[in-house]
Amino acid sequence: SYDLTQPPSVSVALGQTARITCGGHDIGTKNVHWYQQKPGQAPVLVIYLDTKRPSGIPDRFSGSNSGNTATLTISGAQAGDEADYSCQVWDSDTGFYVFGSGTKVTVL
Amino acid sequence: QVHLVESGGGVVQPGRSLRLSCAASGFTFSNYAIHWLRQPPGKGLEWVSLISYDGKSQFYADSVKGRFTISRDNSKNTLYLQMNNLRAEDTAVYYCARWAAEGEDNWFDPWGQGTLVVVSS
Repeated sequence: SYDLTQPPSVSVALGQTARITCGGHDIGTKNVHWYQQKPGQAPVLVIYLDTKRPSGIPDRFSGSNSGNTATLTISGAQAGDEADYSCQVWDSDTGFYVFGSGTKVTVL
Repeated sequence: QVHLVESGGGVVQPGRSLRLSCAASGFTFSNYAIHWLRQPPGKGLEWVSLISYDGKSQFYADSVKGRFTISRDNSKNTLYLQMNNLRAEDTAVYYCARWAAEGEDNWFDPWGQGTLVVVSS
């Protein structure tokens, strides 16, 4: 099975840049999607197909993917960005959907 | 505005059954495949099942195959998940989410707010 590895937590100072990584074997050959989940709320798609932002998602959210690591970047982090962020890929070989374990972002 | 609302969660004993519902609005329900996903307390997200737009094809995670059945009623804009022979490890918040795709890849957008299922004696 395909595994995705995320750090449990990331801290960022208000207004600074947070980078959340998602590691997987040759993940750069796959498309990565990112979800934001605030406590008690449904997940929200913030990045799809590695770098695309859905309408309504602020442009301070960006994504990249290369080699064995995909990264979600929050530039100029705001207090409202505190949440859990999960990466996800679709493994076309197995037809399975795979999620990372999630990263809790704290804005200091 | 696209809206998905789950219902039917609750506390159930191991081995018993439960049926979840997901009511959709704000889009043409019969045009979209829909997923069920879940999130155990304190753990990550897990895909559970997918049903095609017309209900003719269903797909399941190995962890629920043979015990869960996904179905839909396009006349009622509603998705269902029949869960039989429930186990403690099925305890989770269950979400429905709409299929989203581009090219050969697909993902989940948007999601409902979830319904909690607790399997406990």
